[in-house]
Amino acid sequence: DTGVSQNPRHKITKRGQNVTFRCDPISEHNRLYWYRQTLGQGPEFLTYFQNEAQLEKSRLLSDRFSAERPKGSFSTLEIQRTEQGDSAMYLCASSSPRREQGSSYEQYFGPGTRLTVT
Amino acid sequence: AQSVTQLDSQVPVFEEAPVELRCNYSSSVSVYLFWYVQYPNQGLQLLLKYLSGSTLVKGINGFEAEFNKSQTSFHLRKPSVHISDTAEYFCAAQNTGTASKLTFGTGTRLQVTL
Repeated sequence: DTGVSQNPRHKITKRGQNVTFRCDPISEHNRLYWYRQTLGQGPEFLTYFQNEAQLEKSRLLSDRFSAERPKGSFSTLEIQRTEQGDSAMYLCASSSPRREQGSSYEQYFGPGTRLTVT
Repeated sequence: AQSVTQLDSQVPVFEEAPVELRCNYSSSVSVYLFWYVQYPNQGLQLLLKYLSGSTLVKGINGFEAEFNKSQTSFHLRKPSVHISDTAEYFCAAQNTGTASKLTFGTGTRLQVTL
């Protein structure tokens, strides 16, 4: 169990360019989440997958954002035509149903990808 | 829908002193509650969680929290802090029915000094 990994850790891009981030969850975790965190704020939910199905998307996820999890393992988050307001830390988390009592899907977070749009 | 409020954006404290970080939540459904810690340029690490049962929850690094349903609070406490506890702390809520997305507060910066 190597934890949740995210690549790249940092990305600097010019306004209008497209960027793609990758998240590799803990193996066998069937749920994968994307959050966005801006400076001085808590993480905000963007979307989540159960296996390969995208079950929920936040209104924060504009048409320029798309996320995929094609084989139910890793996920990608793409931002098209980036804007300066997209500058943030993008966090990925994964979870799996607990087998013991209590059904909280405890989430394990990756280190994040920091995006800077110039 | 739920919301989480962390009233204190910053809490300065001396090393070995006790500390309490406040968290209040609002929800139309029952929730699970969590505290996460974030060190600079890192992801979030779970400190502790309340699912059900005993209202006093113990977590890692000597932290504990108490769930108070009547006051809709889940305050985090530590009897004696260390310099290494300096970090950002986030309270979060999760709908028990869907057990999916987390709703976070805005965070509290704990600054421990000598």
